[in-house]
Amino acid sequence: SSELTQDPAVSVALGQTVRITCQGDGLRYYYASWYLQRPGQAPVLVIYDKHKRPSGISDRFSGSSSGNTASLTITGAQAEDEADFYCSSRDASGKHVVFGGGTKLTVL
Amino acid sequence: QVQLQESGPGLVKPSGTLSLTCAVSGASINTSNWWTWVRQPPGKGLEWIGEVYHSGSTDYNPSLKSRVLISVDKSKNYFSLRLTSLTAADTAVYFCARGFSGVGLNWFDLWGQGSLVIVSS
Repeated sequence: SSELTQDPAVSVALGQTVRITCQGDGLRYYYASWYLQRPGQAPVLVIYDKHKRPSGISDRFSGSSSGNTASLTITGAQAEDEADFYCSSRDASGKHVVFGGGTKLTVL
Repeated sequence: QVQLQESGPGLVKPSGTLSLTCAVSGASINTSNWWTWVRQPPGKGLEWIGEVYHSGSTDYNPSLKSRVLISVDKSKNYFSLRLTSLTAADTAVYFCARGFSGVGLNWFDLWGQGSLVIVSS
């Protein structure tokens, strides 16, 4: 399958740690990239090249990967982390990009 | 500061054609990037439409391939999206993005603000 699967919704208590996962065959060949999207805004890259963070992205965000599963971990979740999170990679052929369905993170 | 800016009509008729451009400012489009279109229907997730390299090489989402054309104009430093045979299901916010792809790697580090396109008569 060329799809990426994410849990539709996840919640975390303020200050706690949460892991958002992404599964798909393409992840055996390509590292996932992760995007944060707030309502009405464009996605923002938060993790790339498995675990790297772009300049300006909080070190609360970290990435990891194993087999066909990629994970985004938010350590010490803050209210401003409440958003939709999407994973992405290429499919096994490398010719097409795929996105996960997105995970809505609620910070309680 | 590199910026991407989408432009195009916000309302298109069913069976018509959507045409959007993405102006790249602050950097040349003639780089080792894949210039990409992504869309997001209201209340739904992101969908990759396709990409173009500065050489003109393209790849498209198989589900849209028969209706999509993405092109690049290096002289004007922009790239374009053309989507034909529109239906209400094509109503979405259309984003342009700068992509990087390497061996085992792919990401989008820069996005436009998005352009809402409504398909309606």
